Amino acid sequence: GENVEQHPSTLSVQEGDSAVIKCTYSDSASNYFPWYKQELGKRPQLIIDIRSNVGEKKDQRIAVTLNKTAKHFSLHITETQPEDSAVYFCAAADRGSTLGRLYFGRGTQLTVWP
Amino acid sequence: EAGVAQSPRYKIIEKRQSVAFWCNPISGHATLYWYQQILGQGPKLLIQFQNNGVVDDSQLPKDRFSAERLKGVDSTLKIQPAKLEDSAVYLCASSSTANYGYTFGSGTRLTVV
Repeated sequence: GENVEQHPSTLSVQEGDSAVIKCTYSDSASNYFPWYKQELGKRPQLIIDIRSNVGEKKDQRIAVTLNKTAKHFSLHITETQPEDSAVYFCAAADRGSTLGRLYFGRGTQLTVWP
Repeated sequence: EAGVAQSPRYKIIEKRQSVAFWCNPISGHATLYWYQQILGQGPKLLIQFQNNGVVDDSQLPKDRFSAERLKGVDSTLKIQPAKLEDSAVYLCASSSTANYGYTFGSGTRLTVV
């Protein structure tokens, strides 16, 4: 099955700085890569996703890049704010099959200091 | 549209007791997933349903866990008997072929003492 590795496990940045979280995946059949933000005690919330036919996607301060050849994808958050503090999970899935299950990374605890 | 509904939100039981969780997916979503999220880790799939059929239960500890989705809508996940290591948040998610998104419920936080 798929194996998703996520780094770093913790990340501390000053408000206004950028934050980058990186993930690698193993299964070349994976074609959908979402990122989730999870605040303490709450459900994972989708913040951005990318499909394998796209190399980059941006939504305001958040962007995701995908390198299919190297099998890695990254989350970029610019102009970080204290409310960005949370655990971020990357995931991968093969949406072309009947399975379509999400494989998650272990998460990155992002702390933004004011 | 209404989200994925789960109940209960919290449950505390003693080891060797039984517990059941309920999930009602978004209307029209054929695929339903149960994930286990242990503190400090990412969610891990327990079982996936397509309508009322099981697609993947390879990670389900079948000696103690069971799940069903009899009418292809809501689903129940049961643990019998519970162990201390079952303490986790149990997340239900649903998805449809119409889009790529997965929607998660609020989860059930289980504590086994």
